[in-house]
Amino acid sequence: SAVISQKPSRDICQRGTSLTIQCQVDSQVTMMFWYRQQPGQSLTLIATANQGSEATYESGFVIDKFPISRPNLTFSTLTVSNMSPEDSSIYLCSAGGKRGAGELFFGEGSRLTVL
Amino acid sequence: GDSVTQMEGPVTLSEEAFLTINCTYTATGYPSLFWYVQYPGEGLQLLLKATKADDKGSNKGFEATYRKETTSFHLEKGSVQVSDSAVYFCALSDDAGGTSYGKLTFGQGTILTVHP
Repeated sequence: SAVISQKPSRDICQRGTSLTIQCQVDSQVTMMFWYRQQPGQSLTLIATANQGSEATYESGFVIDKFPISRPNLTFSTLTVSNMSPEDSSIYLCSAGGKRGAGELFFGEGSRLTVL
Repeated sequence: GDSVTQMEGPVTLSEEAFLTINCTYTATGYPSLFWYVQYPGEGLQLLLKATKADDKGSNKGFEATYRKETTSFHLEKGSVQVSDSAVYFCALSDDAGGTSYGKLTFGQGTILTVHP
């Protein structure tokens, strides 16, 4: 298993600003993923963070809006840029290291409110 | 594309009642199936999983059987407790061709409330 820590756990942000969420894993993992959970909805994958290469974004998400870094096998950041109230969500970091097993471990999430 | 559909909630039960949360899926390959649980104020945790047809995943009294013929993975528990109150997510990982390395597709989640 892996223990995942995210920060901030919550924040209130002003429209037009950007916020970076940090994700730390207690062990080396191959794959890290960023999900969004909008109020009352399920989890939607934003992107896959690959160590040593650019992130792979899902349909509807772009690098300019959600730049991601993955400098090593235990750490990743997600930035939510030029925020609007529609970006108010819980953002979750997850990690999985075993090909084909599919099991992911999750952080507790970062709850962002954009005013 | 892949999708997961869960029964609509919320679900409210009395302690010791029987629980079923329905989950059906659509996938192009042969997915692995999961149930995740999110307790109040906590992150998502894996509850159980099944990686091939007819497998039964079980944990903490919860069970789910991978039914390929009905593309279902219903969650059941014979006697729920107040401490089971949480949000339950059905999910699949379709690693066909190795292109979905660990990526999960989630259902919409079902809120379960258990009263004493």
